Amino acid sequence: EDKVVQSPLSLVVHEGDTVTLNCSYEVTNFRSLLWYKQEKKAPTFLFMLTSSGIEKKSGRLSSILDKKELSSILNITATQTGDSAIYLCAVDHSSGTYKYIFGTGTRLKVLA
Amino acid sequence: EPEVTQTPSHQVTQMGQEVILRCVPISNHLYFYWYRQILGQKVEFLVSFYNNEISEKSEIFDDQFSVERPDGSNFTLKIRSTKLEDSAMYFCASMRNTEAFFGQGTRLTVV
Repeated sequence: EDKVVQSPLSLVVHEGDTVTLNCSYEVTNFRSLLWYKQEKKAPTFLFMLTSSGIEKKSGRLSSILDKKELSSILNITATQTGDSAIYLCAVDHSSGTYKYIFGTGTRLKVLA
Repeated sequence: EPEVTQTPSHQVTQMGQEVILRCVPISNHLYFYWYRQILGQKVEFLVSFYNNEISEKSEIFDDQFSVERPDGSNFTLKIRSTKLEDSAMYFCASMRNTEAFFGQGTRLTVV
């Protein structure tokens, strides 16, 4: 059965800390891995990763895929209270139309 | 910036009633999706729609559910004879290339 597992389930840090969120997957037909940030409602797109070892970066956020280990990490440096959210990992695993399977998410809370 | 819009934001319905959730995808996108998220659980794929027909659906998407793109802009999810366990946040998403953009969701509460 295809699955995506994220860890930790939740995390509480103080402003300025650096966090690393993990996502591992077991899917029969991997095409890409995506990270989303979910605050109050809709997941908003952060990164899409298709190639192993190439870091994607946006401001204080960065992410990298390791296809050998079937995993990805999302790093957030110098965290701010506005980073508090659920971070979702999704894997596109279809051979036809794009289709995502989501992990349960990591709930991050950043304290002032 | 273009966005996916969903209406209503919250709907309360009685068990057994039919509901229609509406979505306006981003205009030049080609793939459309419905996902749902039961409170406290993960986002689950329901159905994908391409070229005016369902391209894939999950086990959750049984005969109780249907989707339509009636007028080339709206994309609707109809749930017939709602059950208590249909209570969830329903997200519409659209995609042009490879990443999906999600709407703000419709929170459906079945009482």
